[in-house]
Amino acid sequence: DQQVKQNSPSLSVQEGRISILNCDYTNSMFDYFLWYKKYPAEGPTFLISISSIKDKNEDGRFTVFLNKSAKHLSLHIVPSQPGDSAVYFCAASPRGGKLIFGQGTELSVKP
Amino acid sequence: DVKVTQSSRYLVKRTGEKVFLECVQDMDHENMFWYRQDPGLGLRLIYFSYDVKMKEKGDIPEGYSVSREKKERFSLILESASTNQTSMYLCASSLQGDYGYTFGSGTRLTVV
Repeated sequence: DQQVKQNSPSLSVQEGRISILNCDYTNSMFDYFLWYKKYPAEGPTFLISISSIKDKNEDGRFTVFLNKSAKHLSLHIVPSQPGDSAVYFCAASPRGGKLIFGQGTELSVKP
Repeated sequence: DVKVTQSSRYLVKRTGEKVFLECVQDMDHENMFWYRQDPGLGLRLIYFSYDVKMKEKGDIPEGYSVSREKKERFSLILESASTNQTSMYLCASSLQGDYGYTFGSGTRLTVV
């Protein structure tokens, strides 16, 4: 039972354009959401997060949007750069609980 | 900077061997986790620990055990390695009540 789903295994975007990565969840008890970025042969690193009391959080080129009624969140990267090419994992947690990760989306940004 | 160190980057083991994967963190984090990463399946939780000598099963504990004798060290044990345990293994740690995990660089294990 996959509580956090990333339905797109891969995404290819041209440099300078917007990248939109999507994530759906099923558990209404989740109250905190995070995005991690992973390069090959490295561990995931924290990118950006959002609490369930917000619907948007922005950090430089990265913005996360949360739609609680649809149980959907998305990560926008504008403008996309070749160095953004990596696997992106969405994660969610209920209050005080452990993180549950999605399957990951591999982003490729073409020069 | 918080550092989570996994002792090996690459390991090749034979079927049936007992395998130890070591993880050490240096920032006094209470919580430690073991995940495996497989294509199309994401990060799946094997075991976790919220305190010394404490352990709890994650989503896929079968074929694995863990040991946490000291706060900074969390070991994953494959009792009898099988080819379906070929994977990338990731250790993580966090402070109690903190949502953010810090991951190690991972151990790529191949069982032949």
